[in-house]
Amino acid sequence: GQSLEQPSEVTAVEGAIVQINCTYQTSGFYGLSWYQQHDGGAPTFLSYNALDGLEETGRFSSFLSRSDSYGYLLLQELQMKDSASYFCGGSGGYQKVTFGTGTKLQVIP
Amino acid sequence: NAGVMQNPRHLVRRRGQEARLRCSPMKGHSHVYWYRQLPEEGLKFMVYLQKENIIDESGMPKERFSAEFPKEGPSILRIQQVVRGDSAAYFCASSSGQGADNEKLFFGSGTQLSVL
Repeated sequence: GQSLEQPSEVTAVEGAIVQINCTYQTSGFYGLSWYQQHDGGAPTFLSYNALDGLEETGRFSSFLSRSDSYGYLLLQELQMKDSASYFCGGSGGYQKVTFGTGTKLQVIP
Repeated sequence: NAGVMQNPRHLVRRRGQEARLRCSPMKGHSHVYWYRQLPEEGLKFMVYLQKENIIDESGMPKERFSAEFPKEGPSILRIQQVVRGDSAAYFCASSSGQGADNEKLFFGSGTQLSVL
């Protein structure tokens, strides 16, 4: 089976750095992806880790450690517009992509 | 617009009626997913389809729910005899189905189903 766990809520200050963790249990795990969803909006793709290590895309970075069944999304130089829900997603190869429980990030001034 | 198109955006049905949700994947994508989301909750997998083939429907209730992705035309999620508990946002996503890009999903704007 596949299950991914995330903290339900995180609060951080504008301009700071925040890390959103994701631990998973998947059979035949293929990779870890991250999506952002603003209230009332659709999820949008942020990043994907097929290999262990850090992937950087602008202010956002994502990390994967297969040996620890763990990954995280790192957001730097937080802006108010980063307030949203963030979901990690995983699959076992050519199978369904299952999402974690989601983390609601609130950025405060 | 080459993105994932869902319609309608909002659908109101009375209990016992049928709901049909449509999804046209991004151009060049052959794989479609349907997810259900309740307010303040996560994305719950329902079904994963390829053209003319259901790959995984383990998240879809056996009764009243069905999905298809024909050779021509959009993917359809059909809910028969809707009940109030079916009220939710239904998101469609598509992917290329090729290697690592299969993990990169592009989502539509969703259909908000309200059952009265």
